[in-house]
Amino acid sequence: AQSVTQPDIHITVSEGASLELRCNYSYGATPYLFWYVQSPGQGLQLLLKYFSGDTLVQGIKGFEAEFKRSQSSFNLRKPSVHWSDAAEYFCAVGAEAGKSTFGDGTTLTVKP
Amino acid sequence: DGGITQSPKYLFRKEGQNVTLSCEQNLNHDAMYWYRQDPGQGLRLIYYSQIVNDFQKGDIAEGYSVSREKKESFPLTVTSAQKNPTAFYLCASRKIAGGPSEQYFGPGTRLTVT
Repeated sequence: AQSVTQPDIHITVSEGASLELRCNYSYGATPYLFWYVQSPGQGLQLLLKYFSGDTLVQGIKGFEAEFKRSQSSFNLRKPSVHWSDAAEYFCAVGAEAGKSTFGDGTTLTVKP
Repeated sequence: DGGITQSPKYLFRKEGQNVTLSCEQNLNHDAMYWYRQDPGQGLRLIYYSQIVNDFQKGDIAEGYSVSREKKESFPLTVTSAQKNPTAFYLCASRKIAGGPSEQYFGPGTRLTVT
């Protein structure tokens, strides 16, 4: 069975500082990996995805993520955080059958 | 604009009543999904459908029912058998043909049952 762990429930960073959100997955085959962002009371928006190829993927809003098979990780990074990045972030692993499993999310707070 | 519509945004019901949440997509996606979101628990899959007139249970299907009579529509009924129905419900869709793809999400419906 596939599973996703986001070890950090809540992270606080100062505006302009760098950010890394951790994601570890468990899946038997080559995973399809996603990061989504959710603002309060809204749906989820895709930030980036990894299916195959280059293990460093670029997404929207200046985010990037690196797939590390040896560590079963897909950490999300941003070099300089903006106040508008405050939101909840979800990592997800998908399967061929179309079912995705989501982590419990990491809430990001940005200090001015 | 293509997208997913969920209505209403907020829904209030009395305990013991069934309630149906609407989900419509004009993305021409084959697969549609319903998730339940509770604070601190991420998204849990209720039901999903990959083709019209067919659907499968997810991880927490008890107390819920769905139908898929049209490709564009995937309504979710929360029945009186659902023990804790108050939650935020998200609908999503995904293109199946052409390899792996991401899910597109609607804006959600917040259901409160008292």
